[in-house]
Amino acid sequence: GNSVTQMEGPVTLSEEAFLTINCTYTATGYPSLFWYVQYPGEGLQLLLKATKADDKGSNKGFEATYRKETTSFHLEKGSVQVSDSAVYFCALSDPGNYQLIWGAGTKLIIKP
Amino acid sequence: GAGVSQSPSNKVTEKGKDVELRCDPISGHTALYWYRQSLGQGLEFLIYFQGNSAPDKSGLPSDRFSAERTGGSVSTLTIQRTQQEDSAVYLCASSLAAGQLNSPLHFGNGTRLTVT
Repeated sequence: GNSVTQMEGPVTLSEEAFLTINCTYTATGYPSLFWYVQYPGEGLQLLLKATKADDKGSNKGFEATYRKETTSFHLEKGSVQVSDSAVYFCALSDPGNYQLIWGAGTKLIIKP
Repeated sequence: GAGVSQSPSNKVTEKGKDVELRCDPISGHTALYWYRQSLGQGLEFLIYFQGNSAPDKSGLPSDRFSAERTGGSVSTLTIQRTQQEDSAVYLCASSLAAGQLNSPLHFGNGTRLTVT
């Protein structure tokens, strides 16, 4: 069945550091891929998405590229801020499917 | 409303008691989901509603768990005879329609349930 694997956290970085959070997946067919973010005290919200191979999703300075050859969707940001501290979830779904398959989440801590 | 609203935000209950969790989705969203999030774990799917019907209840962990949705809007998740392993954050999400491509999920802040 479909599955998503994320790097374990917490990930602790200093402000302005480069961020990578790894996400790999197992799926049949051609899933859509998502990153959701959960800021402290808030509900999860969609950060970015990609729907086909080589697509790059981007938002708020974050990027992730759909790599079918490596079945990966790593989240990157060139210069993180304290306000980026949150839990990040990678997820996938088959097109038209109501279900999302979730990774375990990666807690990111940014120190000033 | 502005977003998905869940109540209560926190609930502490004694083992064996029943609890009812409420979700008020974004107006017009036909799809509604319940998830459970345990400490350090990903999101565990519980149930999916399309309108008032629940075509997928496969994630409900036992027959102590039930959910309903009325008027295509508010949903309640009921846990009977709560056990300590039920302690978790229960998340509700809604979307305009099923299928994730153009209908992202909008989540509430969750209900943190603690069973003592």
